[in-house]
Amino acid sequence: EAGVAQSPRYKIIEKRQSVAFWCNPISGHATLYWYQQILGQGPKLLIQFQNNGVVDDSQLPKDRFSAERLKGVDSTLKIQPAKLEDSAVYLCASSLGRVYNEQFFGPGTRLTVL
Amino acid sequence: QQPVQSPQAVILREGEDAVINCSSSKALYSVHWYRQKHGEAPVFLMILLKGGEQKGHEKISASFNEKKQQSSLYLTASQLSYSGTYFCGTERGGGSEKLVFGKGTKLTVNP
Repeated sequence: EAGVAQSPRYKIIEKRQSVAFWCNPISGHATLYWYQQILGQGPKLLIQFQNNGVVDDSQLPKDRFSAERLKGVDSTLKIQPAKLEDSAVYLCASSLGRVYNEQFFGPGTRLTVL
Repeated sequence: QQPVQSPQAVILREGEDAVINCSSSKALYSVHWYRQKHGEAPVFLMILLKGGEQKGHEKISASFNEKKQQSSLYLTASQLSYSGTYFCGTERGGGSEKLVFGKGTKLTVNP
């Protein structure tokens, strides 16, 4: 079974530029998550989708971050414009969506904002 | 709201035991444990549910004290492969699957 795919793996941009990350979850997984993990910290949930609907985006900085999940499969997370403090690893995870199922994480995208 | 993990770091020799704790000031519905090796994605270890049900790997054991809102992960007869950072994720609402992760406990197992 293929795992969660993410691209790109690394991205370096200057502040005020925009960037987009892509995630392809495990086939059949209804729930998709985007996390931000700053060095030395645990993952912080940015947004959670159930199929193509948003379940929780309470910690998403909506003035600069946006995310979509078209057709309930792939998802894109965008930052525009980026700030220095956005430097982090962005992790995508998916789960079957039923209660208490494990989350499968992708390899992440390491973003550096200069 | 973020759970507190202790200790922050622990160093073991192969074969030794360790306990990692996770506590919350809020009532919890479930606690999830993940391990992350350097430069890699977190990997699921266990889910502990209110009421006593558990799901996870056979070689990993953990407990969940609902009254104290605490969970402990027990690593016995540690192996070199156990090295990594352990995160607990806590869920407050039943079925929401929204997890709040702690800052992690870094475990190093030496030969």
